[in-house]
Amino acid sequence: SQTIHQWPATLVQPVGSPLSLECTVEGTSNPNLYWYRQAAGRGLQLLFYSVGIGQISSEVPQNLSASRPQDRQFILSSKKLLLSDSGFYLCAWTGSRLASNNEQFFGPGTRLTVL
Amino acid sequence: QKEVEQNSGPLSVPEGAIASLNCTYSDRGSQSFFWYRQYSGKSPELIMSIYSNGDKEDGRFTAQLNKASQYVSLLIRDSQPSDSATYLCAVNMMMDSNYQLIWGAGTKLIIKP
Repeated sequence: SQTIHQWPATLVQPVGSPLSLECTVEGTSNPNLYWYRQAAGRGLQLLFYSVGIGQISSEVPQNLSASRPQDRQFILSSKKLLLSDSGFYLCAWTGSRLASNNEQFFGPGTRLTVL
Repeated sequence: QKEVEQNSGPLSVPEGAIASLNCTYSDRGSQSFFWYRQYSGKSPELIMSIYSNGDKEDGRFTAQLNKASQYVSLLIRDSQPSDSATYLCAVNMMMDSNYQLIWGAGTKLIIKP
C-alpha cells in the first residue's frame, strides 16, 4: 500500500529565515505530487505540482519554491520566510494528472508558524 | 472562473440525525467528485468519490450527484459526535490540458450529543 510522509510535523521559524519541508511517497512510482497551504480556518490553496523528476508547475507566485530531485521526493523551500507564510502545509499524491478520476491522498502535514 | 462553493457553516446537527452537506460547482464538464473529512489539526482524508449521477452509499455515508444542476451532496446518517469535522468538497476540472482538483472552502459540521 502507498504511504506518504512529511517532516517536520511542526516548525517555528523567525521572519527572514530559510525553509525546507520534505515529502516522500512509498509504494508507488511516477506519482503526481502536490504542495498545498491551508491558512487557519480556510480552504486548500494549491502552491506547486509536479508530474515528474525536475518538473515543477507553480500555481501561485510567491517567495516559495519547490523541487523534485527524485521520483518520490518533493521539497518545498524558501530563502526568506514572511509572516504570511504561516499555515498548514500539505503534500498530496495521485496516480496521473491526465486521468479525470484520480483521487488525491494527503500526508500528515507540517504546521509552520513564522514569528 | 472555475469554482467549488460550500456553505462554511457551522452546521449543527443532533446526534442520531441525518447531516446534509452540499456543494455546487461551476464546470459543467466535470466528471469526478470527492468528499474529504478533515479533523481539526489533521490532514484531509478521502471518504467518498462519485462519478455518475445518482446516489452512492458507503456505510452511513451517501454521496449524491446531479450533473444537470451541478451539485453534489453528502448525507451522513445516524450522526455521531466523531463525525464532527470540516468536510471538503473537491471537483476534478480540466485546467490547461490537465485535470486539477478544485477545492471548496469546507463546511464545519458539529454533532451535538
